[in-house]
Amino acid sequence: DAGVIQSPRHEVTEMGQEVTLRCKPISGHNSLFWYRQTMMRGLELLIYFNNNVPIDDSGMPEDRFSAKMPNASFSTLKIQPSEPRDSAVYFCASSLGLPTDTQYFGPGTRLTVL
Amino acid sequence: DAKTTQPPSMDCAEGRAANLPCNHSTISGNEYVYWYRQIHSQGPQYIIHGLKNNETNEMASLIITEDRKSSTLILPHATLRDTAVYYCIVRYYNQGGKLIFGQGTELSVKP
Repeated sequence: DAGVIQSPRHEVTEMGQEVTLRCKPISGHNSLFWYRQTMMRGLELLIYFNNNVPIDDSGMPEDRFSAKMPNASFSTLKIQPSEPRDSAVYFCASSLGLPTDTQYFGPGTRLTVL
Repeated sequence: DAKTTQPPSMDCAEGRAANLPCNHSTISGNEYVYWYRQIHSQGPQYIIHGLKNNETNEMASLIITEDRKSSTLILPHATLRDTAVYYCIVRYYNQGGKLIFGQGTELSVKP
């Protein structure tokens, strides 16, 4: 079975540009999570969805960040406008049913904002 | 904040057992102990979890002390591919999905 799919795998952009990261969860999974990893802050949860509804977005750093899940098989994380401090690896994860189920992570998107 | 304490790094000889300790002295009755690992540049990978009893699966064993204030992840026969950062996470069952990652232990398996 295909795991969590993320695209693009690498993104380089200039400050001020809009960035959109994409995630396809494992088929049949009902919960989806967005994490960010930096050297300074480690791995931190940004937002998670259950049945396509955002449940907890307390980790979203500021209004420049937004996430959507229009259907069960697709989610986006958008940064507008991007800043150099947004440079990080962004991971998407999904779980089967309850948010407390085991989370399976995608390969990540490495974002560099110049 | 993470509720666990782990040594920042450990070494292990290939073929030997790797024993990774974790302290979680403030754990409460409804909190599970989870272990994930992250191989360089990849997404974290689930290993095992437990509440009170020791657990074993095809990847590892989890030993939880009787007072639940600490636990040990055991990789019975470490290979070079087990070199990774290992995260011990305390997770409340109804915490709403949050995995709060600490700094983890960087395990180096050497030939």
